This record gives sequence, structure tokens and C-alpha cells, in this order.
Amino acid sequence: DQQVKQNSPSLSVQEGRISILNCDYTNSMFDYFLWYKKYPAEGPTFLISISSIKDKNEDGRFTVFLNKSAKHLSLHIVPSQPGDSAVYFCAASAFQSGYALNFGKGTSLLVTP
Amino acid sequence: DTGVSQDPRHKITKRGQNVTFRCDPISEHNRLYWYRQTLGQGPEFLTYFQNEAQLEKSRLLSDRFSAERPKGSFSTLEIQRTEQGDSAMYLCASSSDSPLHFGNGTRLTVT
Repeated sequence: DQQVKQNSPSLSVQEGRISILNCDYTNSMFDYFLWYKKYPAEGPTFLISISSIKDKNEDGRFTVFLNKSAKHLSLHIVPSQPGDSAVYFCAASAFQSGYALNFGKGTSLLVTP
Repeated sequence: DTGVSQDPRHKITKRGQNVTFRCDPISEHNRLYWYRQTLGQGPEFLTYFQNEAQLEKSRLLSDRFSAERPKGSFSTLEIQRTEQGDSAMYLCASSSDSPLHFGNGTRLTVT
């Protein structure tokens, strides 16, 4: 069963605009959430994370928002740049499982000039 | 920090053969994870080690899959009697605390 869901397989955004990638989860035991970025032929690269005790975390152009009551998180990229074009994976984990990550299927972001 | 290293990068094998993949984690990381990724899917958790102890292996896909980390450093993932459905990218990751750092994976093709 898919405990982490990314319902948009792809997203296209103009350079300079905001990209918003969404993620939903079902397991209330998840207490740590991450976003990874993946280029072809490479492994996923960590981007940003958020603990369940927070509702927002910022790192430069990247902000992750967590809504625990809705079991929803989102990644905002602003301003978007062509180099941001990649597949973005949402992941969630729980302390009890040794922080093994459960991934969504990914959203392919294309930032056009 | 030389990153997580996986070998080989690509492996082509015939159905029924055994294959073994190696992962060298970041040296100070005590946790090591194996994932599998198929086309259009996110990485799927298989197993993980804390030092040399394999703490979770119930998610290994079948009894044809096994993993070891004998000295708490590098790890191997073995698939016996490979099937075409085993064709996928096999990813290794390590951490001392979150987040996980991934290698570039081993792409397995079973013909």
C-alpha cells in the first residue's frame, strides 16, 4: 500500500515563478518528512526536511510546509530556475522503523526559460 | 566525504543466475539501507543495518534476496536465481542520523 502519495506526475513552471509540489501521507506514525531531488542516472539527493513538531522549514529558495491534521506537505521553490528541472520525491519516516524512508512516486518538474 | 559508492553501476545477467552488488557507505555512517526503484516508482525500502546488525529484513522481496554487512562497513545485496521481474535500479544509502545519503545505484537487467 502506498503510504506516501504524490498525485501529480509532472509539473511545468516558467522560470522565475513559484513551483509548488504536493504530497499526502496516510500513516500517522510518520514524524519526519523529506524531499529528495533526482537527476537521471543519479541517486536521489537530499533537499530539505521537516520534523513533525514544526509546520514550516526554509532553506534558501526552498520551503517545506507541513499540515499534520490534513496529513499533507508541500515544497515551494521560489524563484524557480531551469536547473531545478528534475524528479522530486517526497519521503516520510518514523523513529520506530529506524528512519527507513517511504517514498512517493515522484513529480517531474520542468522549469522553462 | 567521498559519498556512497556502489559497484557495479550496471549488471546484465541471464535469468536464473545469481548476482551480488556492493555498497560502500560514507565512512562515519553506522546505518546502511538498501532500496529498489523500478520505472515510474519511488525507491522501495528493502532492508537496513545498524552497524553489522540487520534490524529490518521483512521487506526483502522474497527469500531469493539477502543482504550482509559483515564488519559494519561495506554491504552486499545478493539475488539468487534472478527473474526478469528483478530488473530494476538497486540503491544503497547510509546515514548516521537523518537524512539518508544515496549512492548512484546499480542498474540490473535480467534477460
